[in-house]
Amino acid sequence: DTGVSQNPRHKITKRGQNVTFRCDPISEHNRLYWYRQTLGQGPEFLTYFQNEAQLEKSRLLSDRFSAERPKGSFSTLEIQRTEQGDSAMYLCASSLEGAWDGYTFGSGTRLTVV
Amino acid sequence: GQQVMQIPQYQHVQEGEDFTTYCNSSTTLSNIQWYKQRPGGHPVFLIQLVKSGEVKKQKRLTFQFGEAKKNSSLHITATQTTDVGTYFCAGRGNQGGKLIFGQGTELSVKP
Repeated sequence: DTGVSQNPRHKITKRGQNVTFRCDPISEHNRLYWYRQTLGQGPEFLTYFQNEAQLEKSRLLSDRFSAERPKGSFSTLEIQRTEQGDSAMYLCASSLEGAWDGYTFGSGTRLTVV
Repeated sequence: GQQVMQIPQYQHVQEGEDFTTYCNSSTTLSNIQWYKQRPGGHPVFLIQLVKSGEVKKQKRLTFQFGEAKKNSSLHITATQTTDVGTYFCAGRGNQGGKLIFGQGTELSVKP
């Protein structure tokens, strides 16, 4: 297993366009998390899944954001009608429920909205 | 909602000096984790603390979890240039589920 994989690594989009990111977690991990990180800040929680069920979504997240994990494996995060304030690094992480080894993060997708 | 605060935001030290970062939660935590993020990289898990008053060591790194399970600290003895990066604490509330990350402490080490 090569760890958590995220695609694309970079995305530049025009304001108002929709974007979709993909995350492939470690195969044995049943939990998958999406975080957003801006420069000089810690990762900010967006949403998480246990298997295919979305268990929690941040109240800070607008309706323009949606995430899916259809078969309990990979996940997608879609942002509709992007705004300049959406520019950030979007991090995906996975973990095994009950395990002691924390989250394994992917390298992230850097979104720039112009 | 649950908030996790970290101080200081930045710390510049001379190689060989010690370094400490402090983490405080607005609510009691079930556990706390620490991560390191190198410049341009992603957070990497260091350790998890679960018990009240717990102390764990990893070589030159010492991690503590407060008695009330609301605060934690990371201490690095005799820093090296390889310690450069941002250290984050992340707390999980009693309801389980997600981790809430602090803002991080950015450590720079001058050789």
